[in-house]
Amino acid sequence: GAGVSQSPRYKVAKRGQDVALRCDPISGHVSLFWYQQALGQGPEFLTYFQNEAQLDKSGLPSDRFFAERPEGSVSTLKIQRTQQEDSAVYLCASKEGAGANVLTFGAGSRLTVL
Amino acid sequence: AQSVTQLDSQVPVFEEAPVELRCNYSSSVSVYLFWYVQYPNQGLQLLLKYLSGSTLVESINGFEAEFNKSQTSFHLRKPSVHISDTAEYFCAVNTGRRALTFGSGTRLQVQP
Repeated sequence: GAGVSQSPRYKVAKRGQDVALRCDPISGHVSLFWYQQALGQGPEFLTYFQNEAQLDKSGLPSDRFFAERPEGSVSTLKIQRTQQEDSAVYLCASKEGAGANVLTFGAGSRLTVL
Repeated sequence: AQSVTQLDSQVPVFEEAPVELRCNYSSSVSVYLFWYVQYPNQGLQLLLKYLSGSTLVESINGFEAEFNKSQTSFHLRKPSVHISDTAEYFCAVNTGRRALTFGSGTRLQVQP
């Protein structure tokens, strides 16, 4: 597609529910990133994929967070047993290669945990 | 480890006035530097980048930034701002590793 597409744009979950956030990167982009942006903060790195391989998951805050990209294109970020502190905007970004190229971001998925 | 500091959380400025948004970074290796802009309810958009070459880089909408290695800075400037420049601005650094590290952002508020 023309840009990075994320869905849903807004998600309200009750504490303890599981959520799944989807990212459709730009077609052909090898690298895919997930970031978490809390209110009033800059984006914080969560995890990175190169094709279908998850090469870095050092930013995932707990084992309740899980990301996958099984066919090297669409990616899903799953959060199990959501907590209030998980409330944030989850940003997905992709780039063409593995080097220091420019990231293209999606509009984000805003998660609110009640 | 790399880090980015944006000291000003908010910068109010009148329309047509000049503005500077400050960014300092720390890294023990060579860096690539970026400024991203985020308009309300939108994703981050690249404003400009420094990868190599000339230390002064410009965007298409009048912003510029200068990479200063000795001061480890990459301040963003515009000589005359417009109402439409109101947004959140994020400085980011990459050392060639995989992920960008972002600053906490500066909210530019342009007043008429």
